[in-house]
Amino acid sequence: DAGITQSPRHKVTETGTPVTLRCHQTENHRYMYWYRQDPGHGLRLIHYSYGVKDTDKGEVSDGYSVSRSKTEDFLLTLESATSSQTSVYFCAISDGQGGNTIYFGEGSWLTVV
Amino acid sequence: KQEVTQIPAALSVPEGENLVLNCSFTDSAIYNLQWFRQDPGKGLTSLLLIQSSQREQTSGRLNASLDKSSGRSTLYIAASQPGDSATYLCAVITGGGNKLTFGTGTQLKVEL
Repeated sequence: DAGITQSPRHKVTETGTPVTLRCHQTENHRYMYWYRQDPGHGLRLIHYSYGVKDTDKGEVSDGYSVSRSKTEDFLLTLESATSSQTSVYFCAISDGQGGNTIYFGEGSWLTVV
Repeated sequence: KQEVTQIPAALSVPEGENLVLNCSFTDSAIYNLQWFRQDPGKGLTSLLLIQSSQREQTSGRLNASLDKSSGRSTLYIAASQPGDSATYLCAVITGGGNKLTFGTGTQLKVEL
């Protein structure tokens, strides 16, 4: 299995509070991604990174920010959590363009009450 | 915008049956297509990756085919087993950034 660790794995937080999810990889892969998975919507890309300090938005980026100060860490921040951000969040990594497999972490379950 | 569709959404088969899961995508300009398996409450496990220049890939009882021009892929599972019960997702990479676009999956149940 690819060395991907997500933390926390489970979190309950209150509306309006900031939340940060961390993804740590030991594979030295260039690309890192944050997806959310919701019933009826499948997996949707929030943000991704193609190198240290290089990030870009995905299709559902509103309300989220990311940072990548080191190759191995990719942080996802919910500046002010809302109930609509209750979801399962998956981090993924890849080492190159097109022809390379993308590997996923085990997920972080976030509940906003 | 790339859209990925998987049919059927759910499938129940008896053990030992051969089965086919379907995936279609709207933009044929893909770099590759990847099939994943997801067990309840778990992350995604990569099963097979087919690059755009390839027609198929095989791993054990699994065979995935790709027809880029028609925007279709199939995942063939031979001699299904109860342990194959899971949700199967296909995803394509289109354009820059190495980003995946997912289908909503097929939930497979293999019964004894």
